[in-house]
Amino acid sequence: DGGITQSPKYLFRKEGQNVTLSCEQNLNHDAMYWYRQDPGQGLRLIYYSQIVNDFQKGDIAEGYSVSREKKESFPLTVTSAQKNPTAFYLCASSQDQYGYTFGSGTRLTVV
Amino acid sequence: KQEVTQIPAALSVPEGENLVLNCSFTDSAIYNLQWFRQDPGKGLTSLLLIQSSQREQTSGRLNASLDKSSGRSTLYIAASQPGDSATYLCAVSFQGAQKLVFGQGTRLTINP
Repeated sequence: DGGITQSPKYLFRKEGQNVTLSCEQNLNHDAMYWYRQDPGQGLRLIYYSQIVNDFQKGDIAEGYSVSREKKESFPLTVTSAQKNPTAFYLCASSQDQYGYTFGSGTRLTVV
Repeated sequence: KQEVTQIPAALSVPEGENLVLNCSFTDSAIYNLQWFRQDPGKGLTSLLLIQSSQREQTSGRLNASLDKSSGRSTLYIAASQPGDSATYLCAVSFQGAQKLVFGQGTRLTINP
């Protein structure tokens, strides 16, 4: 079945540590996205990529980095510069006007 | 500014009732509108996608309508069941924007 796989499901980060969240899709979609979800704040866009080797900052990109070396993969790194990284992270993909497909999410907690 | 608003923030109804969730958006220049369902701690499941040229979409007990001129969409759920309990999110793909804009969601509880 086609879909988006996010891993890990739960991730714990120590202060000052960089961590990378994985997102893989087998839908052959061109565009991929990373959203952050906090209670009471809805979903906010971190980064998006419309094609391989190109990506753009979203509304809250500070403290995050991404890469898009393959069409199928769009990993998100949460750097030590992100001061409040505890949140639920959702990856999505889309193709033209066929709507968005989301993964099951990664819950990141600072310990 | 392109914004999406959902009212109410929470809704509790007895099982078997028909109900309507509301979504409004500030700009009528849209590509499409999508309704999602989210269970606690889970990702988003797409329920219905309405293109800008369409007026409504149906899937089983769900029906979503779109009125671009008034900037409104509704999600109608017929014969509600306890399994329908979840947060429902409305999201709009605006023309000229490279992202999906979400409402804050409506948390729905169906009481047995």
